[in-house]
Amino acid sequence: KAGVTQTPRYLIKTRGQQVTLSCSPISGHRSVSWYQQTPGQGLQFLFEYFSETQRNKGNFPGRFSGRQFSNSRSEMNVSTLELGDSALYLCASSTLTGDKNTEAFFGQGTRLTVV
Amino acid sequence: LAKTTQPISMDSYEGQEVNITCSHNNIATNDYITWYQQFPSQGPRFIIQGYKTKVTNEVASLFIPADRKSSTLSLPRVSLSDTAVYYCLVGDDYKLSFGAGTTVTVRA
Repeated sequence: KAGVTQTPRYLIKTRGQQVTLSCSPISGHRSVSWYQQTPGQGLQFLFEYFSETQRNKGNFPGRFSGRQFSNSRSEMNVSTLELGDSALYLCASSTLTGDKNTEAFFGQGTRLTVV
Repeated sequence: LAKTTQPISMDSYEGQEVNITCSHNNIATNDYITWYQQFPSQGPRFIIQGYKTKVTNEVASLFIPADRKSSTLSLPRVSLSDTAVYYCLVGDDYKLSFGAGTTVTVRA
């Protein structure tokens, strides 16, 4: 069974540009969450999608957005990139069968560098 | 979300048992306790989850006292490859709240 796939693995962008990251969850998983990891702030929750609806959002500016498609694949977009957006962006999927504490499976992440 | 407190770092040697204690005084009745492991430049990996008493799997054991205000992750006979950051989480699964974690360094 394939794991969570994130593309691209590495990305270099210039300040002011925008970027789109992609996440393909494990087959059958309908919940997809995004996290940002930086050395200074650690792992921080960005948002979570379930059945194409954003159910939860972390404390990030509106430049960070996302969406989920009918096949559960998800994308996140960051507009007007800032140097501080350089981070490892992680996607996680879970089954969320009704038991709210099901295991989350993480992808390898996308390493974004803003120059 | 219940706040968790765990040691910043721990050192150990190969073959020893490592015990990491996490405090979560404000844990809610419905909250589970979950531990994740993370290696550099990789996503976290689920280790174990429990609600009360003791849970054991092929990788670790989780001890939870009756008041559930703390929990202890036990890694038996660690090896160099167990060097990683270990996170203790409490609460909803789809909004995982990671603290700073515990950096465990295993030495030969």
